Amino acid sequence: GAVVSQHPSRVICKSGTSVKIECRSLDFQATTMFWYRQFPKKSLMLMATSNEGSKATYEQGVEKDKFLINHASLTLSTLTVTSAHPEDSSFYICSARDVTSGLNEQFFGPGTRLTVL
Amino acid sequence: AQSVSQHNHHVILSEAASLELGCNYSYGGTVNLFWYVQYPGQHLQLLLKYFSGDPLVKGIKGFEAEFIKSKFSFNLRKPSVQWSDTAEYFCAVSPSGYSTLTFGKGTMLLVSP
Repeated sequence: GAVVSQHPSRVICKSGTSVKIECRSLDFQATTMFWYRQFPKKSLMLMATSNEGSKATYEQGVEKDKFLINHASLTLSTLTVTSAHPEDSSFYICSARDVTSGLNEQFFGPGTRLTVL
Repeated sequence: AQSVSQHNHHVILSEAASLELGCNYSYGGTVNLFWYVQYPGQHLQLLLKYFSGDPLVKGIKGFEAEFIKSKFSFNLRKPSVQWSDTAEYFCAVSPSGYSTLTFGKGTMLLVSP
């Protein structure tokens, strides 16, 4: 149980284009999903917290107009990187919190490697 | 805001050696503490967690961690590592009652057979 998937696993795009990444909780409902960015040899940095049916809460320094987050259902959240630039190249990881568990525990997706040319 | 410090970026051990990975956090209130592991090519998995109660927490695959409140520490231990323990290990902290996690920078463990 508690499986989180991400799609795509890898994406390469041209500078200026937009890329959408999906995060799904496969066998549980997630009222809250989280988006992280992981730089090489560095930690996971929380970008935003996504709550189902409401606007995402962004961390300081994260541009909400550039990283659009939608959480339309209890099993799906999407991150859209708009007008991507090479500096947006990174590993993006989502996680989901099981609303029924009552515990402060997140389950992580496998990540999406974004390369912007 | 909370922060997490992991002492070692890289650790190299031989099989059967004992392991201890350091983790210290800074936060003034009650916390939940976690260790996650990321095996090569795989996603983050929870090793163990501390919410309350016994400060010595046992997790999967023979790992354990001890919460020492006075030292703001949550070190991960395993008495005898295996080659399959080669992975990156992340310590994380969350204020109690909140779901936001703050991660340390990770420690890459390489176990040689």
